[in-house]
Amino acid sequence: AQKITQTQPGMFVQEKEAVTLDCTYDTSDPSYGLFWYKQPSSGEMIFLIYQGSYDQQNATEGRYSLNFQKARKSANLVISASQLGDSAMYFCAMREQGGTASKLTFGTGTRLQVTL
Amino acid sequence: GAGVSQSPSNKVTEKGKDVELRCDPISGHTALYWYRQRLGQGLEFLIYFQGNSAPDKSGLPSDRFSAERTGESVSTLTIQRTQQEDSAVYLCASSLGYMENTEAFFGQGTRLTVV
Repeated sequence: AQKITQTQPGMFVQEKEAVTLDCTYDTSDPSYGLFWYKQPSSGEMIFLIYQGSYDQQNATEGRYSLNFQKARKSANLVISASQLGDSAMYFCAMREQGGTASKLTFGTGTRLQVTL
Repeated sequence: GAGVSQSPSNKVTEKGKDVELRCDPISGHTALYWYRQRLGQGLEFLIYFQGNSAPDKSGLPSDRFSAERTGESVSTLTIQRTQQEDSAVYLCASSLGYMENTEAFFGQGTRLTVV
């Protein structure tokens, strides 16, 4: 089974609008972390936001917020007031605490295109 | 340096040759990761180091791939007898620890082209 699933290969959003990028995950570990990264066309991976499995509140970082629904095992990224510079690939990732398997496992990504 | 540094940034090699890719993590970061990203695809885990040991090398695709880390610092990913399917961007990342709440910081990657 896929650990991280991103079902939207591509998304379009108009400038200044909000957009939600979906991410669901699969783990039996009670302790885990969820991350979102942005990869612009330049190729660098930019850390955006983190959500811990025990966090009571949804994480927020500026225009980024994470809609964390633990029972549904979803961790959707919400970008408010989209800007042209938000056009990029977005990857959801998870790190589990159990054992030595503490690598970051990534989803297949969503390509976001912000239009005028 | 301030960030994760990878070299070379680009490498073109002939099929059958060996290549070495280098990663300099952020100073003090004990965890180091190698990923492969084929064109238009997601990140494929290769290997993870905690200190100088590799508790998880499950992602190495074949015995042509190996990696080492010395001094809890620099890591080298070696691909022997390169094949065309090895063409990809190889990304290195480091993190302060291995706990679930530590984010990984990525280098700019090495773009490997096997001709």
